[in-house]
Amino acid sequence: KNEVEQSPQNLTAQEGEFITINCSYSVGISALHWLQQHPGGGIVSLFMLSSGKKKHGRLIATINIQEKHSSLHITASHPRDSAVYICAVNNFGNEKLTFGTGTRLTIIP
Amino acid sequence: KAGVTQTPRYLIKTRGQQVTLSCSPISGHRSVSWYQQTPGQGLQFLFEYFSETQRNKGNFPGRFSGRQFSNSRSEMNVSTLELGDSALYLCASSLAAPQETQYFGPGTRLLVL
Repeated sequence: KNEVEQSPQNLTAQEGEFITINCSYSVGISALHWLQQHPGGGIVSLFMLSSGKKKHGRLIATINIQEKHSSLHITASHPRDSAVYICAVNNFGNEKLTFGTGTRLTIIP
Repeated sequence: KAGVTQTPRYLIKTRGQQVTLSCSPISGHRSVSWYQQTPGQGLQFLFEYFSETQRNKGNFPGRFSGRQFSNSRSEMNVSTLELGDSALYLCASSLAAPQETQYFGPGTRLLVL
C-alpha cells in the first residue's frame, strides 16, 4: 500500500462543475503539498498546508490531520484547469517528500 | 525574481555513460531537492541539499549522486547509465527546508539508449 493515495485517478468534468480531488496518507507528516503538472512536465506548487484550510482564487485546499486526509477543490472549473494534480507529504522527522500517483483532470468546454 | 533553472533541458545518452545535470535555485533559496519522474514509478525523491550538505537521500543506488555549491547551485550525477534511468529529472528549491513551498524547475528529460 502506497503511503500517499489519491482518488480518483482520472476525472473528466464539464466546464463550470465543482471538482474535488482526495488525498489520504498513512504516515505522520509535517506538511502536505498540492502540486499541478501541465503537459510538458512543469510543476507548480498550489498549496502547502499543515492544518486547516487555504484558498487561492477558485482553488481551496483542506486538511484533516486526525483523519490523515486532504482535499483539493476547484470551483467553477475551466478547461485551463486540465492538468495532473499531485498530492505530496513531508514525512515527519526526515522531511522527505512522498508523492501520490496523481489525478488527471480534464475539463470539457 | 528568476525562477528555478535547469540545464540541459533534454539529453540523450547511451548505456554505460555518465551524465551531469545542473540546477540553479531561486536567488536566496538554500534548500535544493532533486526528484525523478517516470511513467511507472511516478515522482520519487532523490536527495536534498542545504548549505552544501546532503541532508536527505531517497532510495536510489549509489550511481546517483549530487552536490551543492556555495552559491546554492546544485548538480546531480548519474554514472553507468541504465535504460531505466530514462526519466524527467526535476529540481526544486525552497528558502531553507523541504516542508516549505517548493518551487520547481522545468526539468531535464533524459533518454538512455
